[in-house]
Amino acid sequence: EDQVTQSPEALRLQEGESSSLNCSYTVSGLRGLFWYRQDPGKGPEFLFTLYSAGEEKEKERLKATLTKKESFLHITAPKPEDSATYLCAVLSNFNKFYFGSGTKLNVKP
Amino acid sequence: GAVVSQHPSRVICKSGTSVKIECRSLDFQATTMFWYRQFPKQSLMLMATSNEGSKATYEQGVEKDKFLINHASLTLSTLTVTSAHPEDSSFYICSARQGAEFFGPGTRLTVL
Repeated sequence: EDQVTQSPEALRLQEGESSSLNCSYTVSGLRGLFWYRQDPGKGPEFLFTLYSAGEEKEKERLKATLTKKESFLHITAPKPEDSATYLCAVLSNFNKFYFGSGTKLNVKP
Repeated sequence: GAVVSQHPSRVICKSGTSVKIECRSLDFQATTMFWYRQFPKQSLMLMATSNEGSKATYEQGVEKDKFLINHASLTLSTLTVTSAHPEDSSFYICSARQGAEFFGPGTRLTVL
């Protein structure tokens, strides 16, 4: 069964405390893995697309990596404005998106 | 990235009335758009796929007659919640794909 599991559900960090969010997936043929940021009351905002194992993408304090079974979103020296829910999604060979339930990140000053 | 807009951002209506939500792709043409529903602290739940010029495809358990979808042009899809009830209150989000999936800002529906 195709599915996406994100962990942890919630993460509290002090400003400057680096950490990683995990997205594990099982899918019948991975066409792409996507990371989104969602702020309360808003739609998800696209961050990254990863297509193959070993691929990495970076944007400011965020870095996404991909293996054959999981993806990590590394947050380096986070700031309070990085607080949000981070969603992971995979696109299968059947052109269907599967979303994880998200990790709610709270960065305290 | 691609830009998707939604209107309205918030709507409050009385039970039994119908509400229309618009979704537009602003800088690209989308033959397919997607409608999601999101409950508090939960992930996105795909409701239906909106197809330009043809009928929408609904996910299992989603009532076609309650959630009417019209994809009138390559840049506009509408979701009409008919005879709304309090349990229809939710956050509705549309999206369109151009490589990745790009989401609208969402519509908060509250049915009194």
